[in-house]
Amino acid sequence: QKEVEQNSGPLSVPEGAIASLNCTYSDRVSQSFFWYRQYSGKSPELIMSIYSNGDKEDGRFTAQLNKASQYVSLLIRDSQPSDSATYLCAVKASGTYKYIFGTGTRLKVLA
Amino acid sequence: DAGVIQSPRHEVTEMGQEVTLRCKPISGHNSLFWYRQTMMRGLELLIYFNNNVPIDDSGMPEDRFSAKMPNASFSTLKIQPSEPRDSAVYFCASSLGLEQPQHFGDGTRLSIL
Repeated sequence: QKEVEQNSGPLSVPEGAIASLNCTYSDRVSQSFFWYRQYSGKSPELIMSIYSNGDKEDGRFTAQLNKASQYVSLLIRDSQPSDSATYLCAVKASGTYKYIFGTGTRLKVLA
Repeated sequence: DAGVIQSPRHEVTEMGQEVTLRCKPISGHNSLFWYRQTMMRGLELLIYFNNNVPIDDSGMPEDRFSAKMPNASFSTLKIQPSEPRDSAVYFCASSLGLEQPQHFGDGTRLSIL
């Protein structure tokens, strides 16, 4: 069973701090990695994709990928109350269509 | 640009009734996915279409569920007869290709009484 594991949280951080969200996966052939943000009652919204080892930065968001250790993380700098949401990690093997989603980590940014 | 459009946004119906959910993918996207999301099971892939052809329907829970994609801009997910355990949020997503990210519609919140 191919799995994607996330801590369900909630992860509480004060406003302005760095929020660190982690995800581990079991399938070594995974090649594409995505972070989605889902506000309560809303749909998943793509915020980051990463395909190569290392860091990828986009504004306040940084995705980090380590294929050898089979983990991917998302850092949110200068966290804002509006970042409070559930963050879903999704993993996909190259040449396939199927995303394996984690169950999500709930983030709470405290004002 | 218009995103993935789903209708209806909310559906409340009685057990045994037929339910039809609709989806319009992003123009030009050739891959379409139907998901179901519940608190207990998270996001589950129900069916995947590529170029309007169903490729994998192994996630469809029972014969009561069926999906069609008659053309590149429209897909339906039908439940007949509906049961209370079908209550969930159903999402449609589309992508430009296998290696491109999926983009989700706003979902249909389905309640079967």
